[in-house]
Amino acid sequence: EAQVTQNPRYLITVTGKKLTVTCSQNMNHEYMSWYRQDPGLGLRQIYYSMNVEVTDKGDVPEGYKVSRKEKRNFPLILESPSPNQTSLYFCASRTPGTNYEQYFGPGTRLTVT
Amino acid sequence: SQQGEEDPQALSIQEGENATMNCSYKTSINNLQWYRQNSGRGLVHLILIRSNEREKHSGRLRVTLDTSKKSSSLLITASRAADTASYFCATDEYDYKLSFGAGTTVTVRA
Repeated sequence: EAQVTQNPRYLITVTGKKLTVTCSQNMNHEYMSWYRQDPGLGLRQIYYSMNVEVTDKGDVPEGYKVSRKEKRNFPLILESPSPNQTSLYFCASRTPGTNYEQYFGPGTRLTVT
Repeated sequence: SQQGEEDPQALSIQEGENATMNCSYKTSINNLQWYRQNSGRGLVHLILIRSNEREKHSGRLRVTLDTSKKSSSLLITASRAADTASYFCATDEYDYKLSFGAGTTVTVRA
């Protein structure tokens, strides 16, 4: 089954404790992205990757890091989480080109206290 | 940056009625997509309409696109309780980036 998986699905942590949210896709997609979703703000792109070892900042990259060492995986790293990073996070992937749909993971709800 | 903006923010209808929501965007596009999100879950692709198309159908969904007005509409006919969700339009601001609006929350009452 074609899918994007994320782990963990729920995470409660404390300020400053480094964490990683994993993302994996099995569709051999070149493009992958991370979004955060906050009430009233829709989805905002954090980082994106166009292929292995090719990543770039999206609209709200501050406080986040990513890596793309393998095509299928695109982890999101919060080196020193802060309460304003409490949000719902989505990983997504798709084929390059403008006529292709994007596949989303199930989401990771992160709470930073 | 938010390219698309949906209107209304929220919509409540009776089962069997039609639901219409609109999306406006700011810059030229290659295509526009609509996604559905059930409460707190991942977004699911519904339909894609290319910039040279004016109308597209998929089951109970009808999408229109007016590039001169930079707007699109999504119509769900004969709504069901299972249609209760948030709906988002997305535009291809760049090849690597889909920009999403804040969404329309649709509640279908039994």
